[in-house]
Amino acid sequence: DGGITQSPKYLFRKEGQNVTLSCEQNLNHDAMYWYRQDPGQGLRLIYYSQIVNDFQKGDIAEGYSVSREKKESFPLTVTSAQKNPTAFYLCASSARGGPTDTQYFGPGTRLTVL
Amino acid sequence: AQKITQTQPGMFVQEKEAVTLDCTYDTSDQSYGLFWYKQPSSGEMIFLIYQGSYDEQNATEGRYSLNFQKARKSANLVISASQLGDSAMYFCAMSLMNTGFQKLVFGTGTRLLVSP
Repeated sequence: DGGITQSPKYLFRKEGQNVTLSCEQNLNHDAMYWYRQDPGQGLRLIYYSQIVNDFQKGDIAEGYSVSREKKESFPLTVTSAQKNPTAFYLCASSARGGPTDTQYFGPGTRLTVL
Repeated sequence: AQKITQTQPGMFVQEKEAVTLDCTYDTSDQSYGLFWYKQPSSGEMIFLIYQGSYDEQNATEGRYSLNFQKARKSANLVISASQLGDSAMYFCAMSLMNTGFQKLVFGTGTRLLVSP
């Protein structure tokens, strides 16, 4: 079945550590996205990528980094520079990143900083 | 700046009844798209329905319809014949079409509870 997978489902991090969240899609989509969701709020865009080896900062990119070495994969690293990383992280993809494309989401990763 | 406003933090409806979830948006662009997503307690965002700013007819997808009033800048979601499985968070989002690349702006969501 085609879809988007994210791992792990739950992640615990000590302060000062970097952690990497995985996102894989087998939909043959060109565009991929990372969002952050805080309690009681909507989603905010962290990074997006329209093609392999290219990505752009979203609205809240500080303290995060990404790579896009393969079409299927778009991992997100939460660095120690991110001051308040505890949140729910959602990965999405769309066919081409065009304005009318539908974004499809993965099941999310819940990150907690201890 | 583009903004989505969902003023209803929570809504209650009885099974089999219809419910309307409100969404207003603010943009100076003429070309844009509006999306509704459902987020159950599991966390995954599920696409429900899409309306383009130039679409003359309101979008419909099964039990979901979008009441699009362009002059009022509103894009309300109507769910007919509510089911217990409709209990979830619902998010309205807007995409901009003049950037050549989709950027979605989300509202804060409305929690819908369907009772038996």
